[in-house]
Amino acid sequence: RKEVEQDPGPFNVPEGATVAFNCTYSNSASQSFFWYRQDCRKEPKLLMSVYSSGNEDGRFTAQLNRASQYISLLIRDSKLSDSATYLCVVNQAGTALIFGKGTTLSVSS
Amino acid sequence: EAGVAQSPRYKIIEKRQSVAFWCNPISGHATLYWYQQILGQGPKLLIQFQNNGVVDDSQLPKDRFSAERLKGVDSTLKIQPAKLEDSAVYLCASSLGLQYTDTQYFGPGTRLTVL
Repeated sequence: RKEVEQDPGPFNVPEGATVAFNCTYSNSASQSFFWYRQDCRKEPKLLMSVYSSGNEDGRFTAQLNRASQYISLLIRDSKLSDSATYLCVVNQAGTALIFGKGTTLSVSS
Repeated sequence: EAGVAQSPRYKIIEKRQSVAFWCNPISGHATLYWYQQILGQGPKLLIQFQNNGVVDDSQLPKDRFSAERLKGVDSTLKIQPAKLEDSAVYLCASSLGLQYTDTQYFGPGTRLTVL
């Protein structure tokens, strides 16, 4: 089982749609969780951290379920500019970040 | 504030040749990372420096890859000799603090093609 698994997509949605990405991780000792965004042929950039209680940043909502070892990212009211690959990242204390392969989102007008 | 700088942006070499990549982190950032991102995969950590000391190089193929961080600032990553499977984007990242979970800022990467 891979350490971090994501549905690669692509997810093709129209502008204004709501889309959700899921991610599962295998190491129950993982303590920190993040979503990174990577535009085509660009570097990854931190989108948001994921907290146990769930957290929201504008149109983006991240949730964590430790019991199921599951992380999600919800994007509401999708914009064309949201088109990118979304990388799920987990970390165990004192160890390197582990990146998933990413989920590709394409938003069309 | 200037971001992480990397050069070259693109490099094409033949297998068994050598290649070097350069990274200049954000000013004042103590921690520097080198990642390898193969097409269709997420970035994988190769080596982490704190100032000029190596913290983690457990995933660095040391028979062919080497890296150094001179004076705790710039860093170079070298591959000698290159193999076909080394074709990837090599990303440098830096963070202000010493924890893996401190926000990492990535450079634009060097896209390496090995023929």
